[in-house]
Amino acid sequence: AQSVSQHNHHVILSEAASLELGCNYSYGGTVNLFWYVQYPGQHLQLLLKYFSGDPLVKGIKGFEAEFIKSKFSFNLRKPSVQWSDTAEYFCAVNPYNAGNMLTFGGGTRLMVKP
Amino acid sequence: EAQVTQNPRYLITVTGKKLTVTCSQNMNHEYMSWYRQDPGLGLRQIYYSMNVEVTDKGDVPEGYKVSRKEKRNFPLILESPSPNQTSLYFCASSLKAGGRFSYNEQFFGPGTRLTVL
Repeated sequence: AQSVSQHNHHVILSEAASLELGCNYSYGGTVNLFWYVQYPGQHLQLLLKYFSGDPLVKGIKGFEAEFIKSKFSFNLRKPSVQWSDTAEYFCAVNPYNAGNMLTFGGGTRLMVKP
Repeated sequence: EAQVTQNPRYLITVTGKKLTVTCSQNMNHEYMSWYRQDPGLGLRQIYYSMNVEVTDKGDVPEGYKVSRKEKRNFPLILESPSPNQTSLYFCASSLKAGGRFSYNEQFFGPGTRLTVL
């Protein structure tokens, strides 16, 4: 069965620091890839997605992610974080022709200190 | 406003007392799904529904039931809740259930925090 690993469970950064959250998946076929964000007390929101084409995708709020097929990775980045980025971040994978099935990673809690 | 709603938002109950968590969407979506979120495990799919009267098991269906009698509603039923079902539950919906070229973004509800004592 496929799995999604987010190696950083908790990350603490100061404002203006750069962010990179790792995401690796174990699925040999073609996949769609997503990053979701969950702000405290709120529902999940889609940050960005990759289906095909340019492996560097840009999302909302200055986030971007790079798909590296050879490494089965889809890392999330932001050059300069803000206090308002404090949230939990989830990587998710949707295998080709698996309908809407999403497999989520365990999540990374990001705390940004003002 | 287009949205997915869940009720109740918070629930504390005791082992064995049947409960239902409701989920409703007003976007005429065909696909609906239930997830549970546990620390370190992310979200895991419990059940999903491709359309009215069409439901199927997700990754962790044990101890849960669902029904889809109307397009807008997709209740999650715990016939005999146990403490290991203490979790945060999310309902989600999307216009359709698709494949690679027609993946439909899932919209998530606000979550229901369930505690089973």
